[in-house]
Amino acid sequence: DPKIIQKPKYLVAVTGSEKILICEQYLGHNAMYWYRQSAKKPLEFMFSYSYQKLMDNQTASSRFQPQSSKKNHLDLQITALKPDDSATYFCASSLTGNNNQAPLFGEGTRLSVL
Amino acid sequence: GQQVQQSPASLVLQEGENAELQCNFSSTATQLQWFYQSPGGSLVSLLSNPSGTKHTGRLTSTTVTKERRSSLHISSSQTTDSGTYLCAITSGGNYKPTFGKGTSLVVHP
Repeated sequence: DPKIIQKPKYLVAVTGSEKILICEQYLGHNAMYWYRQSAKKPLEFMFSYSYQKLMDNQTASSRFQPQSSKKNHLDLQITALKPDDSATYFCASSLTGNNNQAPLFGEGTRLSVL
Repeated sequence: GQQVQQSPASLVLQEGENAELQCNFSSTATQLQWFYQSPGGSLVSLLSNPSGTKHTGRLTSTTVTKERRSSLHISSSQTTDSGTYLCAITSGGNYKPTFGKGTSLVVHP
């Protein structure tokens, strides 16, 4: 059974719309992350949360807003979508937010913006 | 910021051959990790090796910190090893990695 659940698996959106990518983990982890992987760029770290608090934000655009309603949830809201936002978005988690632990990754949400 | 270069970009082997993947990085690393990304896209951590040599199964990683390089050796490759191998570098205490573009490995039967 997958321990990190990302929904939906595939998502098609129109330019200018808003979407929420869902991530929940059932590993008892305290740190959660979002990454983005597009055809043009390597896998990129976006955000890290620890105990539901933002630790690091590497995303320049405020159109990307993580939302943590529960300790094991970290959703990603994307507003005013652009075609360049098309990518696979991976959620990950680890027991703590320090760099001694490699995170476990979800299967990803593949977003296409038309 | 940190830059991570992986080589070769792609590698094609016959089953049973060994693979040597390289990772070079531009700044001091407090953590270095190798990940495997399957053709379907999911990622799995293989090894964490900020310095020295580590083994797990058919995998051996050697990191020379002062030379800012790491290698991943895959012995006796299998078709199931096909996929992309990513190197990720973290500087500092918080987990905020920079990834390389990866090495795409194809192992033929």
